[in-house]
Amino acid sequence: GDSVTQMEGPVTLSEEAFLTINCTYTATGYPSLFWYVQYPGEGLQLLLKATKADDKGSNKGFEATYRKETTSFHLEKGSVQVSDSAVYFCALSPSNDYKLSFGAGTTVTVRA
Amino acid sequence: NAGVTQTPKFRILKIGQSMTLQCTQDMNHNYMYWYRQDPGMGLKLIYYSVGAGITDKGEVPNGYNVSRSTTEDFPLRLELAAPSQTSVYFCASSWDRGQGNQPQHFGDGTRLSIL
Repeated sequence: GDSVTQMEGPVTLSEEAFLTINCTYTATGYPSLFWYVQYPGEGLQLLLKATKADDKGSNKGFEATYRKETTSFHLEKGSVQVSDSAVYFCALSPSNDYKLSFGAGTTVTVRA
Repeated sequence: NAGVTQTPKFRILKIGQSMTLQCTQDMNHNYMYWYRQDPGMGLKLIYYSVGAGITDKGEVPNGYNVSRSTTEDFPLRLELAAPSQTSVYFCASSWDRGQGNQPQHFGDGTRLSIL
């Protein structure tokens, strides 16, 4: 079945450091790919998405590119802030389906 | 805008008790979902609904029931609480035509402990 694999955390960074969180997927056809973020004590919020190969999603300084050849959707940010401390989830929905499959989540802590 | 509202935020139950987790959304979304989140496991889909009167099982439905009598409300019921149901529960909704490219909007969660 369809699945998502994320790099394990936790990840601890200093402010202004570069962040990468790896995400790879297994799916048939052309799934849609998402990154969600969960701040402490809150629900998940959509961070960015891409719905076809080579699409780049971006929001709040974060970017991810849908790479079909490597079945990847890695999340990157060039300069993190303390406020980026959160749990990040990679997710996919299969072609013509609306149900999401989530990765296990990566906890990111940014220190001042 | 309220978005997706879940109640209660926290609850402690004894083994064998029952309870209903409430979820309501004010975005007129047709699709609604219930997930559970266990540490290090991501989110697992319990039940979902594509419209009022229509519900279906997700990945981990055992021990739960749902109903969808209105577009806005999608309650989740635990009939006989078990320790394995200790988790954080999230309700979500989306406006989708089955193409899978619309984001889901999440509530803030219900933290449930069963002792």
